[in-house]
Amino acid sequence: DTAVSQTPKYLVTQMGNDKSIKCEQNLGHDTMYWYKQDSKKFLKIMFSYNNKELIINETVPNRFSPKSPDKAHLNLHINSLELGDSAVYFCASSQRGLADTDTQYFGPGTRLTVL
Amino acid sequence: SQKIEQNSEALNIQEGKTATLTCNYTNYSPAYLQWYRQDPGRGPVFLLLIRENEKEKRKERLKVTFDTTLKQSLFHITASQPADSATYLCALSTGTASKLTFGTGTRLQVTL
Repeated sequence: DTAVSQTPKYLVTQMGNDKSIKCEQNLGHDTMYWYKQDSKKFLKIMFSYNNKELIINETVPNRFSPKSPDKAHLNLHINSLELGDSAVYFCASSQRGLADTDTQYFGPGTRLTVL
Repeated sequence: SQKIEQNSEALNIQEGKTATLTCNYTNYSPAYLQWYRQDPGRGPVFLLLIRENEKEKRKERLKVTFDTTLKQSLFHITASQPADSATYLCALSTGTASKLTFGTGTRLQVTL
């Protein structure tokens, strides 16, 4: 029943490690997104894929690499984790992703803590 | 530089009153503006969308206005209830591939 799901919900890891977060949507949407929400609750877009094609790539360190094996999945891989990467990461999807009227459906978030 | 600011970090009101939240923006020309609700530990949930040529939009106890001259949107919750307590985020669509830029959010607390 879950529309947009993410795993894991919590991720605690050491600095320098590599980790992945997975996202799946069962809404049949064409576009998926990754957002980062920092400790001040500011939500900022990182990436967006439309039908497996990267369409938004904000100023994000290249240690972050999204991968979309199909339009229902968008994973986020992070290399060489740093303390500043600690945040909540949200996956979202929208129907077409090419129109301003598209509303976005968010997953429950993954809280990443880097020690 | 571009900015989206929401009036205050936190807003406390009494049950039954109308809550009014403000979203101001600078150096944007958004065609659409959206409001989302976020509960602790959860992702944002879409509430309302308003287009630049619409002055007002309503949905049950919610009302949104959009003034492109003032570069401001107001979000009202009438007859507020404790269950309305949450963080409310405004988001501008900047016209590029459905990219949403979010405001800083206002945490609303409705007390009995």
